[in-house]
Amino acid sequence: DGGITQSPKYLFRKEGQNVTLSCEQNLNHDAMYWYRQDPGQGLRLIYYSQIVNDFQKGDIAEGYSVSREKKESFPLTVTSAQKNPTAFYLCASRPSGQGAGQPQHFGDGTRLSIL
Amino acid sequence: AQSVTQLGSHVSVSEGALVLLRCNYSSSVPPYLFWYVQYPNQGLQLLLKYTSAATLVKGINGFEAEFKKSETSFHLTKPSAHMSDAAEYFCAVSEDRGSTLGRLYFGRGTQLTVWP
Repeated sequence: DGGITQSPKYLFRKEGQNVTLSCEQNLNHDAMYWYRQDPGQGLRLIYYSQIVNDFQKGDIAEGYSVSREKKESFPLTVTSAQKNPTAFYLCASRPSGQGAGQPQHFGDGTRLSIL
Repeated sequence: AQSVTQLGSHVSVSEGALVLLRCNYSSSVPPYLFWYVQYPNQGLQLLLKYTSAATLVKGINGFEAEFKKSETSFHLTKPSAHMSDAAEYFCAVSEDRGSTLGRLYFGRGTQLTVWP
């Protein structure tokens, strides 16, 4: 079955450490997204990518970085500059070029905590 | 930028009662609208979407939503709640219809509790 795989499911970060969250999709979708979810705040967009080797900042990109070297993969790095990284991170994808009416499909998330 | 307001961060109903979750959007031009459901420690699952074909949209699990342009609303309803409906529900609005970015703007979510 096609879908989005996020790993690991749980991740712990030490002070000053960078960590990378994996997101892989086999849906053949061009567009991919990273969201951060905090209780009571909904989903906030970190980064998004519409095509390989291209990505744009979302609303809360500071302290995060991404790459898009392959269509299937969109890893997110939480850097030491992100002072409050504890959150639930969700990756999503959608087919592009079909207008804004196509819904996004989501992975099952990675929960990041500080040690 | 678009914005979405979900009235009520928590809604509690008895099993078998009507479920009503409220969503209002800010756009002056009717956008695309979506309702998603999230179970604990899982991702979001699409319940239904409005793309202008019909103002009353039926989704999965017996949910439906009605688009009301005059009220800029897209409230989610289910006639009879089931224990398995307990989850968090998110309303989302797309960018302008002419955009190809596919970006969504999410409400803060409504936690639905169903009492036996």
